[in-house]
Amino acid sequence: AQSVTQPDIHITVSEGASLELRCNYSYGATPYLFWYVQSPGQGLQLLLKYFSGDTLVQGIKGFEAEFKRSQSSFNLRKPSVHWSDAAEYFCAVGDSNYQLIWGAGTKLIIKP
Amino acid sequence: DSGVTQTPKHLITATGQRVTLRCSPRSGDLSVYWYQQSLDQGLQFLIQYYNGEERAKGNILERFSAQQFPDLHSELNLSSLELGDSALYFCASGDSSYEQYFGPGTRLTVT
Repeated sequence: AQSVTQPDIHITVSEGASLELRCNYSYGATPYLFWYVQSPGQGLQLLLKYFSGDTLVQGIKGFEAEFKRSQSSFNLRKPSVHWSDAAEYFCAVGDSNYQLIWGAGTKLIIKP
Repeated sequence: DSGVTQTPKHLITATGQRVTLRCSPRSGDLSVYWYQQSLDQGLQFLIQYYNGEERAKGNILERFSAQQFPDLHSELNLSSLELGDSALYFCASGDSSYEQYFGPGTRLTVT
């Protein structure tokens, strides 16, 4: 069955430090992959997506993600986090019915 | 601003009552998705409509129902409310691709 795993429920990072949020998926065909961010009290916002082509994709707010087929991963990275990046991050994979299968989310906490 | 609007923003009601949540999709989007987000269950897909027709069903309770109208706005009806139905309810809209654009949500509190 298709699934998305975000192994870290919480991650704490110091402001200015680099960030990597992990996402692993299980999907038989070429996946369509997404990262969304949810700031406190807000709806989810699309950060970036991978459909095909270059495996390193750039998104909004300085985020990037790398698709690694051999590892079934689509990890989200940012070289230097800001306090405003504190939020919950969701990874998702699109299935054959144009539905999104969601990970459980990773809550990012920024230390001053 | 995603272009998706949801009303009301907050709703407080009592157990056993019925409420209706409303969603207006982005201009041009034919799909509307409903999600429930709670602390213990996380983000749960409820149901999707596409151009007025039900397209996919997720973990939607029988007490809940939805519809999409000819002008493409959608309503989610929650009845016989229980304390456990307290949650954030999100609507998202999209076109024929996978991308979904989320509204700000309705926070439902059942007392």
